[in-house]
Amino acid sequence: SYELTQPPSVSVSPGQTGSITCFGNDLDNRFTYWFQHKPGQSPVLVIYQNNKRPSGIPARFSGSNSGNTATLTIGETQAIDEADYYCQTWDRSRVVFGGGTKLTVL
Amino acid sequence: HVQLVESGGGVVQPGRSLRLSCVASEFTFSTYTMHWVRQAPGKGLEWVAVISYDGSNEYYIDSVEGRFTISRDNSENTLYLQMSSLTSEDTAVYYCARSDGFNAEVDSWGQGTLVTVSS
Repeated sequence: SYELTQPPSVSVSPGQTGSITCFGNDLDNRFTYWFQHKPGQSPVLVIYQNNKRPSGIPARFSGSNSGNTATLTIGETQAIDEADYYCQTWDRSRVVFGGGTKLTVL
Repeated sequence: HVQLVESGGGVVQPGRSLRLSCVASEFTFSTYTMHWVRQAPGKGLEWVAVISYDGSNEYYIDSVEGRFTISRDNSENTLYLQMSSLTSEDTAVYYCARSDGFNAEVDSWGQGTLVTVSS
């Protein structure tokens, strides 16, 4: 079955740029989506179709997809951005999530 | 705005069955593909199942194939997940979510319902 691989954790200082990668075989031939998930809350879509932002998502969030790696970039990171982030794609009509990355802002 | 409200979670013994429901409102439920996604304690998100807008197509993660059944009642704006032969590995918060078709973004989620499989 298709797999997406993310680093378990990423740390970033407030105001700096943080990046989270997502590796999957032939990923650039698929759309990648990114979700933010905070404890006790429902996941929130922050990037769709590789690099598009849903309404209400700050412009600090951006995405890219090249080769086998998709990347979520958060510019001018704030404390409120601390959360788990998941990449996601589709494979044979099934949704596939990456293992998730805990973003720590410190 | 879009609302998805899950119910039916609780504590259930191993080997027993449980049915989850998800009531949708504020959008045209019958035109959307619907999903169940779960998160076990301390683990990441795991997609469980999907059903097409008209119920004609269903797909499952391998670990629940043959034990779980996703279904929908478009007249009642309700999504279901019938779970049987439950094990401790099925303990999780279960979310329902929607997408505008297959290969589209999952753009709205419910608040989740907790299923605990324990004797």
